[in-house]
Amino acid sequence: QVQLEESGPGLVKPSQTLSLTCTVSGASINSGHYYWSWIRQHPGKGLEWIGYIYYTGSTYYKSSLESRTTISLDTSKNQFSLKLSSVTVADTAVYYCARLDRTTSEAVYFDYWGQGTLVTVSS
Amino acid sequence: DIQMTQSPYSLSASVGDRVTITCRASQSISSYLNWYQLKPGKAPKLLIYGASNLQSGVPSRFSGSGSGTDFTLTISSLQSEDFATYYCQQSYITLTFGGGTKVEIK
Repeated sequence: QVQLEESGPGLVKPSQTLSLTCTVSGASINSGHYYWSWIRQHPGKGLEWIGYIYYTGSTYYKSSLESRTTISLDTSKNQFSLKLSSVTVADTAVYYCARLDRTTSEAVYFDYWGQGTLVTVSS
Repeated sequence: DIQMTQSPYSLSASVGDRVTITCRASQSISSYLNWYQLKPGKAPKLLIYGASNLQSGVPSRFSGSGSGTDFTLTISSLQSEDFATYYCQQSYITLTFGGGTKVEIK
């Protein structure tokens, strides 16, 4: 069974960098066809895709967040990470990591998710 | 970006009711449409992928239909564990979600 678990500080000060890690079990992040993703949900709002990384290290980010976002892999620990720089209160959200399945060209979907972790930006 | 519009924003229903949620894309997305169930404190769950394919392990009371710009998620007989928020998501061009539909107990 594939499981993902987010970890990291729950409180970040404005202008600092938000850093989260997703630990994957039951699957290798080195496998093809899967893209390792970050998604967030602002309080009381909908879901927003942030970006993803492929096992080759290739990344793709939402255009409006690209300048502040870095997603990286640690294959030795089967983990991937999110860094979001220069945060403001608008970055307060529940952050989810998820696996994006692109096994077929006919359907692309998030098949496994973590439970999410709340990150609050406040001084 | 492709905008995804869900309706209704919320609905109240009873156990056993048939529930329908709609999702409209701002442009054609073929069948690149997925549905998820979110409950507080739990990992989101994939229900339907490719507009109409039931994810393994998901009860058959859930079904999806549509193509192009208009899609539907149907729960044929609502169960107590189905009270949750449902999101559509397109994967045709980048990845965007609808605003969600909260299904509440009547």
